[in-house]
Amino acid sequence: DTAVSQTPKYLVTQMGNDKSIKCEQNLGHDTMYWYKQDSKKFLKIMFSYNNKELIINETVPNRFSPKSPDKAHLNLHINSLELGDSAVYFCASSSRTSFKFFGPGTRLTVL
Amino acid sequence: AQKITQTQPGMFVQEKEAVTLDCTYDTSDPSYGLFWYKQPSSGEMIFLIYQGSYDQQNATEGRYSLNFQKARKSANLVISASQLGDSAMYFCAISRREYGNKLVFGAGTILRVKS
Repeated sequence: DTAVSQTPKYLVTQMGNDKSIKCEQNLGHDTMYWYKQDSKKFLKIMFSYNNKELIINETVPNRFSPKSPDKAHLNLHINSLELGDSAVYFCASSSRTSFKFFGPGTRLTVL
Repeated sequence: AQKITQTQPGMFVQEKEAVTLDCTYDTSDPSYGLFWYKQPSSGEMIFLIYQGSYDQQNATEGRYSLNFQKARKSANLVISASQLGDSAMYFCAISRREYGNKLVFGAGTILRVKS
């Protein structure tokens, strides 16, 4: 009965690789988000999708590409990974009547 | 632009006592929402409480209450009867009231509950 799930929970990879993180929510929400938490625990929005349409795109390098195949899924693909991409990535979802619920996070370590 | 300031990097509280975590905000939006989240050492983000800018009464959820002072632009979290399990990082956040808007977070406050 998990509300917002992410896979994988941990991701360790080499610089220059391409990787994806998947997010799914079963709450019936139509808005989904990606947030990044850096090593100092600071949380910042990256992207937001509403009904598969991109509505927020903060100043994120274009190596990061979100994809929303349907309103229950929002995946994050990262090309040419760099050391500075190491962080915890949180998926979240919300609706008009429900507040933002976060997934468990994916800890990405780039070596 | 919206901004959240949490001035307490860390706090200690004795078990069973109440503690207040400070949060001040800055926004030019007339309608906004204020949120508190808890992040335990396991890493997940747990929604605690929400206050809308037009809500007349302070929000309460169990042992959590939000001391909302609009004129002072403050939204402090009060945890009553602290428990050891309350030890965690606490984040205050603000969002425009319009649907689907992003959360802007503060830097967080680490709370340690002593037995």
